[in-house]
Amino acid sequence: AQSVTQLDSQVPVFEEAPVELRCNYSSSVSVYLFWYVQYPNQGLQLLLKYLSGSTLVKGINGFEAEFNKSQTSFHLRKPSVHISDTAEYFCAVIASGGSYIPTFGRGTSLIVHP
Amino acid sequence: GAGVSQSPSNKVTEKGKDVELRCDPISGHTALYWYRQRLGQGLEFLIYFQGNSAPDKSGLPSDRFSAERTGGSVSTLTIQRTQQEDSAVYLCASSPPARGRYEQYFGPGTRLTVT
Repeated sequence: AQSVTQLDSQVPVFEEAPVELRCNYSSSVSVYLFWYVQYPNQGLQLLLKYLSGSTLVKGINGFEAEFNKSQTSFHLRKPSVHISDTAEYFCAVIASGGSYIPTFGRGTSLIVHP
Repeated sequence: GAGVSQSPSNKVTEKGKDVELRCDPISGHTALYWYRQRLGQGLEFLIYFQGNSAPDKSGLPSDRFSAERTGGSVSTLTIQRTQQEDSAVYLCASSPPARGRYEQYFGPGTRLTVT
């Protein structure tokens, strides 16, 4: 079985500052990794995914993440945040060769202040 | 095109009543998932449908919860004899076949409040 840990429940940051949201996972097999964003009162939307290939993955809205196999991490970054980035961010993992049921982290609330 | 839709958007019910929550997936998506999201928590997997295969019910928390998917499309999640701990947002997601099957497209959710 796999698990996902999002170490920060809340990350406050000022507008135009850089941000990193941390995600670590554990799994006995190879994994596929995802970040989803949830705006207030909405469902989740896929930001980016890592399936294979380049470990640096670019997504929508200027976000990117880097898969680090040795550290079992998939941290999400953005060089300059906007007020509109205020949302809940979820990291998720799917074990390769298994079912397509993802395991989600508990989420990180990104709060961007003006 | 149309995304995943869920109805109702909000449901308030009395403890002990049964409720039905509906999910309309994106046309052509073969996989459908139900999740529960309690306030301030992550997503808790409930059930997974893939094509005509038997559903994976391993996440259902009790026998009061059941779900069906008719014609490989619309799905209904039923909660019988609701309890206050069932209060949550219930999210539905669907996935396309083949290369996109790892990606999930979520509906806006149904907020269930049990009084």
